[in-house]
Amino acid sequence: GAGVSQTPSNKVTEKGKYVELRCDPISGHTALYWYRQSLGQGPEFLIYFQGTGAADDSGLPNDRFFAVRPEGSVSTLKIQRTERGDSAVYLCASSLGQGRTDTQYFGPGTRLTVL
Amino acid sequence: AQKITQTQPGMFVQEKEAVTLDCTYDTSDPSYGLFWYKQPSSGEMIFLIYQGSYDQQNATEGRYSLNFQKARKSANLVISASQLGDSAMYFCAGSGSARQLTFGSGTQLTVLP
Repeated sequence: GAGVSQTPSNKVTEKGKYVELRCDPISGHTALYWYRQSLGQGPEFLIYFQGTGAADDSGLPNDRFFAVRPEGSVSTLKIQRTERGDSAVYLCASSLGQGRTDTQYFGPGTRLTVL
Repeated sequence: AQKITQTQPGMFVQEKEAVTLDCTYDTSDPSYGLFWYKQPSSGEMIFLIYQGSYDQQNATEGRYSLNFQKARKSANLVISASQLGDSAMYFCAGSGSARQLTFGSGTQLTVLP
């Protein structure tokens, strides 16, 4: 079956601009996660959705970052007034949402570059 | 909160040999999961193996096995019969009361021909 997909694969933007990153989870997965991976580091958690609601957004670095999942499937991560420090690979993962030890399956990521 | 520590930034192994990648964890959760992911240079994070804190036996998946020592809080990944395609970054990760994964800093594995 189809895995997690993310679009775009690459995004180059200028400082101060607004960007949207999209994630399409595995069909039937109710849990969706966003992570950010800076060069040479492990991914860091941003936000977790169970269904349509954000169950945990404690990893969002500031109020410039926002994510939605209006129909419980596709999710969009939105970054306002981008800064050079936002440059990273943004990874999306999904899981069945049945328990705390669900296996998370990752998409290929979106590489964001802020000039 | 969880903390995952990987102390080997880089490892080398000869093709067809076995290699162990170290991972230690620290958590106050009574129930937790430990995961290993492989990240090739292409960037995609590939799930390899999972161990639950209450599992009695060490997890195995093909050439991958997880050496889980609860008392030592370690969850080392063992790759048997290394192949050139195993060259990649390997991440240990944990989950607990908070469902999100906490990742270690990774180990870059290079398999030599």
